[in-house]
Amino acid sequence: EIVLTQSPGTLSLSPGERATLSCRASQSVGSNYLAWFQQKPGQAPRLLIYAAFNRDSGIPDRFSGSGSGTDFTLTISSLEPEDFAVYYCQQYGTTPGTFGQGTKVEIK
Amino acid sequence: QTHLQESGPGLVKPSETLSLTCTVSGYSINSNYFWGWIRQSPGEGLEWIGSISHSGTTYYNPSFKSRLTMSLDTSKNHFSLSLSSVTAADTAVYYCARGASAPAAAGFWGQGTLVTVSS
Repeated sequence: EIVLTQSPGTLSLSPGERATLSCRASQSVGSNYLAWFQQKPGQAPRLLIYAAFNRDSGIPDRFSGSGSGTDFTLTISSLEPEDFAVYYCQQYGTTPGTFGQGTKVEIK
Repeated sequence: QTHLQESGPGLVKPSETLSLTCTVSGYSINSNYFWGWIRQSPGEGLEWIGSISHSGTTYYNPSFKSRLTMSLDTSKNHFSLSLSSVTAADTAVYYCARGASAPAAAGFWGQGTLVTVSS
C-alpha cells in the first residue's frame, strides 16, 4: 500500500500568516488522486481539495493544492482563526486508500 | 441536501461481530458513487476500511482480511458494515462516506459513531 508522510507534524503560526503543508507518497499516486481534509475536534474530516488541486464546493480560495506524482502541498495563503485545525492528506488512486498522519496547525 | 448517518451498538464484546449501518437521505444509493467506511482511532489515525459501489461491487482493505463484509440495501437506502472477531484494537470512531471517481474516494462524510470493544 502507499504510505503518506506529512510534514511538519505541527505548524505554529499567527492569523494572517501563510501555511505550507507537505504530503509525500512512497510511490506515485494514481491519477494524482490526492485529497486534503480539515478536521476540528469532535467533527468529521471535511474535504478541502481533491485530485491534487481542485477545491471542493464552498471552500475559500485561500486554500490551494499543488503537486503531482509523489509530492503534494496544501497552502493556506492567509490563516483565518477558523483554519486552526488538523489537516490530513489521503490518496485514493489505489486501493487500499491511505491517509497521512496529519499536520496540526496551531495558533502561535 | 445529502445526509449520511451512522447507527449501531456503541459497545461490542471481544470476539463478537461489529455491525453498523449508514442511512443516506437526499440521494439514492443505487444511482451513483462509492459508499465507504473509514475509522479513526488515537493509535492508528485514519484508516480506510473499504467501500461498495452503487452496483454492489465491494473493495476491501486487505488489512481486514476475511473479517469484513459490506452490503447495500437499496429498499432502505442504506449500506452496512460487518466486522467479525473484533478485539480492543477495533475500538474507534467509525465514519461512513460517499466518494466519487474511485473506490477509495471519500468526499462527503457522516458525523461518525464511536464503537468500543470491551467485555
